[in-house]
Amino acid sequence: EVQLLESGGGLVQPGGSLRLSCAASGFTFSSYAMSWVRQAPGKGLEWVSAISGSGGSTYYADSVKGRFTISRDNSKNTLYLQMNSLRAEDTAVYYCAKDSRIAVAGRSYYYFDYWGQGTLVTVSS
Amino acid sequence: DIQMTQSPSSLSASVGDRVTITCRASQSISSYLNWYQQKPGKAPKLLIYAASSLQSGVPSRFSGSGSGTDFTLTISSLQPEDFATYYCQQSYSTTFTFGPGTKVDIK
Repeated sequence: EVQLLESGGGLVQPGGSLRLSCAASGFTFSSYAMSWVRQAPGKGLEWVSAISGSGGSTYYADSVKGRFTISRDNSKNTLYLQMNSLRAEDTAVYYCAKDSRIAVAGRSYYYFDYWGQGTLVTVSS
Repeated sequence: DIQMTQSPSSLSASVGDRVTITCRASQSISSYLNWYQQKPGKAPKLLIYAASSLQSGVPSRFSGSGSGTDFTLTISSLQPEDFATYYCQQSYSTTFTFGPGTKVDIK
């Protein structure tokens, strides 16, 4: 059974830092890209960042580029999100999600097939 | 970045109704479109991937169609457990984006 368990959320002051973790189990972690997706209170979903299975490629939304860093430790089956220079608008539930891929007629389609339960990050003084 | 829009933003429907939600991309995304369902306080759940492929375990009353810039999620006969918010998401570019969501509630 695939399980994703986020941790590390909490209250932090503006300008502060926080590191989120996502412990994965039930699948071959290193074979899959992973993403972070966030949801501000009462708002919609916002993709934040993604990392390839090897960790060699990373991608960021413009809203977090230069402030957040995604990484992974495949020996520990764990995904991370280092968040620096936090702002009030970063307040959200942060979900980690497993990126799956299916190849059809030479094209690769990506989608999030498993999600964690989320961890709340509150940026406030 | 590719922008996603959805319509309507909300709708009220009754059990047994046929419900259609539309998603539009700001540029052609071929069939790189996924649909998710989210209930309050819960993580999103994948319903449809690659525009029209039904995720394993998802009831067949859910279906997806479209390609290019215009896509549709259809629930053929709304059930009580289907009252939720639905999001589309593009995976055409390496920076994924979601639509703003469509809330389906009880009439």
